[in-house]
Amino acid sequence: DVKVTQSSRYLVKRTGEKVFLECVQDMDHENMFWYRQDPGLGLRLIYFSYDVKMKEKGDIPEGYSVSREKKERFSLILESASTNQTSMYLCASRPLGDRGRYEQYFGPGTRLTVT
Amino acid sequence: AQKVTQAQTEISVVEKEDVTLDCVYETRDTTYYLFWYKQPPSGELVFLIRRNSFDEQNEISGRYSWNFQKSTSSFNFTITASQVVDSAVYFCALSGYGQNFVFGPGTRLSVLP
Repeated sequence: DVKVTQSSRYLVKRTGEKVFLECVQDMDHENMFWYRQDPGLGLRLIYFSYDVKMKEKGDIPEGYSVSREKKERFSLILESASTNQTSMYLCASRPLGDRGRYEQYFGPGTRLTVT
Repeated sequence: AQKVTQAQTEISVVEKEDVTLDCVYETRDTTYYLFWYKQPPSGELVFLIRRNSFDEQNEISGRYSWNFQKSTSSFNFTITASQVVDSAVYFCALSGYGQNFVFGPGTRLSVLP
């Protein structure tokens, strides 16, 4: 079974802190994704990565950065956390597939509160 | 541009009722995939089904069934004889030729005992 793990289920940080969210997958997937989920807005893509050291902006990259130094690990970084970044953060991975056929596998999520 | 609409924000049913969750999509791709995910209160999204754009056969899996109609760009999900454990947020998603998904806003289903 594919397993995607995230470093924390719940996190509370103060405004201005630098925050690291870690995601690890164990199935050698090329693609990894970071989403944030807010009520009524569904899942919105922050950043994604097709391969090690490669990253692409998603729909809402402002205020975030990412790092992918190893294939299995994809980190989301909030350089200076703000209260409007309070949200549920979901990591996902997916194998490289013909014409986007494969499903994404999700981690359990990190609920981040910025006070 | 690709878009997924789930018009029902919240649905409440009593246990054993049938319920249908609607999903309407927009895409210019000729080859694409549609997905349904379930997000129980624990938070992790669970994959339910994938359907490609060339396969319009309906699918049934136990109490779950899916109706894909290309003519109306819809991919609806029906739960028959709902149970309390079906309470969750359900997301419909679209994947085109590229690698990224477009998710709908989700439908929160509450099944009352």
